[in-house]
Amino acid sequence: NAGVTQTPKFRILKIGQSMTLQCTQDMNHNYMYWYRQDPGMGLKLIYYSVGAGITDKGEVPNGYNVSRSTTEDFPLRLELAAPSQTSVYFCASSYPDSAYNEQFFGPGTRLTVL
Amino acid sequence: QKEVEQNSGPLSVPEGAIASLNCTYSDRGSQSFFWYRQYSGKSPELIMFIYSNGDKEDGRFTAQLNKASQYVSLLIRDSQPSDSATYLCAVFGGNTGFQKLVFGTGTRLLVSP
Repeated sequence: NAGVTQTPKFRILKIGQSMTLQCTQDMNHNYMYWYRQDPGMGLKLIYYSVGAGITDKGEVPNGYNVSRSTTEDFPLRLELAAPSQTSVYFCASSYPDSAYNEQFFGPGTRLTVL
Repeated sequence: QKEVEQNSGPLSVPEGAIASLNCTYSDRGSQSFFWYRQYSGKSPELIMFIYSNGDKEDGRFTAQLNKASQYVSLLIRDSQPSDSATYLCAVFGGNTGFQKLVFGTGTRLLVSP
């Protein structure tokens, strides 16, 4: 049971380039999330998904897109990378439960846009 | 007003002391409250959760919740240098549609030998 895995671990992009951050979970969780964490800051929700085929925007969705074709995978797409997207990106997953919503996090992707 | 507020620290305590970490939240409809520990360069890991008023103990950790005051805290007894990390308070559930987890900015804890 690998939990939540993310690739790549590190990436440097030039301004205007695009890339996809991969996220996979093997816990059969319905809910998946993408966060970004800037230095000294908490996690900000970018997008989330409550199941295959269903996605919605979080607090900071501009400049990103997602898709959810399977329960396991939730890739995050960056189009036209900008320096403001330099951050650490975490994917997470959880069972839906109204009272207890522990989220399990992947190891993160450290992205630098130059 | 931020949804979840924490003092950024650092909070410095000597080894063996009690570390007290505090968090306030603004949404009275919040249902569950979490403490995540994050070591530098690593992902957050859950250490405690609480959803009823009062105290909840798990080993050296005690979470305290006061919904009337919109306040949640984490006590770490017999602090160890290995407890040095950033502690993120997160609040789940509320009055704003999708019940998402809202994180504070974290408190950095330093435990000196």
